[in-house]
Amino acid sequence: GAGVSQSPSNKVTEKGKDVELRCDPISGHTALYWYRQSLGQGLEFLIYFQGNSAPDKSGLPSDRFSAERTGGSVSTLTIQRTQQEDSAVYLCASMGTYNEQFFGPGTRLTVL
Amino acid sequence: GQQVMQIPQYQHVQEGEDFTTYCNSSTTLSNIQWYKQRPGGHPVFLIQLVKSGEVKKQKRLTFQFGEAKKNSSLHITATQTTDVGTYFCAGLTSGTYKYIFGTGTRLKVLA
Repeated sequence: GAGVSQSPSNKVTEKGKDVELRCDPISGHTALYWYRQSLGQGLEFLIYFQGNSAPDKSGLPSDRFSAERTGGSVSTLTIQRTQQEDSAVYLCASMGTYNEQFFGPGTRLTVL
Repeated sequence: GQQVMQIPQYQHVQEGEDFTTYCNSSTTLSNIQWYKQRPGGHPVFLIQLVKSGEVKKQKRLTFQFGEAKKNSSLHITATQTTDVGTYFCAGLTSGTYKYIFGTGTRLKVLA
């Protein structure tokens, strides 16, 4: 079946603008993660969803970051008033039966 | 806070040589996962280790979980050019949902 998809694949925005990133997990996966990966770096945990609720949002860097999930499926990550340090690849992963994380291709965000 | 350190940061090997990357956590883990990320790609799940002292093999790859469940290693025997990429470990602390990723080891294989 289809894997995890993310949109847009690339987003260039101006400092101060808001952006919305979308993740479509694998059908039936209830657990979903958002991560951020800066160039040449490891993955930084942002938020974890179980169904529509987020038991752990401790990785969100500031109150400019928020995320939601509706219908236990699609998730959106919103960054308000973007800053240059927000530039990174944002990765979404949905979790399979044995806790394996299936990653999407990511959204590359560039804040000018 | 919880940290997961991974060494080495980079490794260049000749094709056919062996390769090992090590992962160390500051806290005891309930499980550890390993991922491979090809250049320009996204992380792909390789394996999960749960039990103390566990050893698992996948063809030329051998994964170990330490007795204290604070460290892990990935060993590749007789590397091939297809092994090129960055290998990440990701540890989960009991009672949490947050996977902490290691810094990654970037492997280059010279033909």
